[in-house]
Amino acid sequence: AQSVTQLDSQVPVFEEAPVELRCNYSSSVSVYLFWYVQYPNQGLQLLLKYLSGSTLVKGINGFEAEFNKSQTSFHLRKPSVHISDTAEYFCAVSVGGAQKLVFGQGTRLTINP
Amino acid sequence: DTGVSQDPRHKITKRGQNVTFRCDPISEHNRLYWYRQTLGQGPEFLTYFQNEAQLEKSRLLSDRFSAERPKGSFSTLEIQRTEQGDSAMYLCASSHSPGTGSAGGYTFGSGTRLTVV
Repeated sequence: AQSVTQLDSQVPVFEEAPVELRCNYSSSVSVYLFWYVQYPNQGLQLLLKYLSGSTLVKGINGFEAEFNKSQTSFHLRKPSVHISDTAEYFCAVSVGGAQKLVFGQGTRLTINP
Repeated sequence: DTGVSQDPRHKITKRGQNVTFRCDPISEHNRLYWYRQTLGQGPEFLTYFQNEAQLEKSRLLSDRFSAERPKGSFSTLEIQRTEQGDSAMYLCASSHSPGTGSAGGYTFGSGTRLTVV
């Protein structure tokens, strides 16, 4: 069965510093991988997705992620964060024809001034 | 199109009461999904529809839960005899079916937060 592990439950960083949110997945078949962001009391917004092709994927709000098949990882990065990036971030893998998403437990990103 | 709409945004109910939530998906999306998110956790899959057909249900969906999507448009999720453990955010999402070049292109609604007291 597919699963997703987000290695850090909380990540505090200073404004304008770089950040990396880590995600590892397990799957016996090819997968689609996603990062979503959730602001307080809101639904999830898609940041970026990997379906195939280039392993470096660029998303919205200056985020990017790199798919590493050998390490089964899909880490999210941003070179310089802003206060507005404070949110919960979820990594997810898409499963089978149903395309249902299996989510990690989330990483809370807190930006300090 | 204004995206995926969910109603109500918040619901407080007494234990044992029945509740019903509504989801209006993006009109051209033929797939509709329900997820449940408890505090501090990622969303968990509950069920999904392709058009009006309910194609899969999670083991999380006990007999007290039922979902419908009449005519393949909006969907309702009903919880009967609510329990305190049902307190969660219920998220709806819609997408195109595979093969339409939009793999994984979910659009989520803002969710319905249920509190059972």
